[in-house]
Amino acid sequence: GNSVTQMEGPVTLSEEAFLTINCTYTATGYPSLFWYVQYPGEGLQLLLKATKADDKGSNKGFEATYRKETTSFHLEKGSVQVSDSAVYFCALSEGTSYDKVIFGPGTSLSVIP
Amino acid sequence: EAGVVQSPRYKIIEKKQPVAFWCNPISGHNTLYWYRQNLGQGPELLIRYENEEAVDDSQLPKDRFSAERLKGVDSTLKIQPAELGDSAVYLCACSNTGELFFGEGSRLTVL
Repeated sequence: GNSVTQMEGPVTLSEEAFLTINCTYTATGYPSLFWYVQYPGEGLQLLLKATKADDKGSNKGFEATYRKETTSFHLEKGSVQVSDSAVYFCALSEGTSYDKVIFGPGTSLSVIP
Repeated sequence: EAGVVQSPRYKIIEKKQPVAFWCNPISGHNTLYWYRQNLGQGPELLIRYENEEAVDDSQLPKDRFSAERLKGVDSTLKIQPAELGDSAVYLCACSNTGELFFGEGSRLTVL
């Protein structure tokens, strides 16, 4: 079945460091890929998405590129801030439907001043 | 625009007791989801509603879990009787144009 694998956390970085959170997936067909973020005390919210191969999703300085050949969707940010401290979830859904979104286990990020 | 509202935020009960969670989605969002999130894991879908109809409840443990969405707006998720393994965060989400909007969740602890 479909699944999502993420790098294990927690990840601790200094402010302005470069961030990469690895995500790989297993899916039949052509899934859409997402990164969701959960800030402390808040609900999950969509950070960015990509719906087809080679698409790049971006938002708030974060980027991720849909790599079909490596079945990956790694999240990157060039310079993290303390306010980026959160749990990040990679996810997929079949095609453009959100009927059944499958989430990875999440990666906790802490950014220290 | 108000977001997804869930209550209670926290609930502690003893095993074998019943518990219910309530969700008020964003106005006009016809699709409603209940997810369960265990500690250190991502959310897992329990049930999906299109208006008042449950269109996917394949992951809902029907022996003890039930849900309803009367009038296609608010929804309630019930567990009866609760077991120790039900301790988790229960998330409600909704969508209208495709993007999922989540509530803050209801954290259940079963003792």
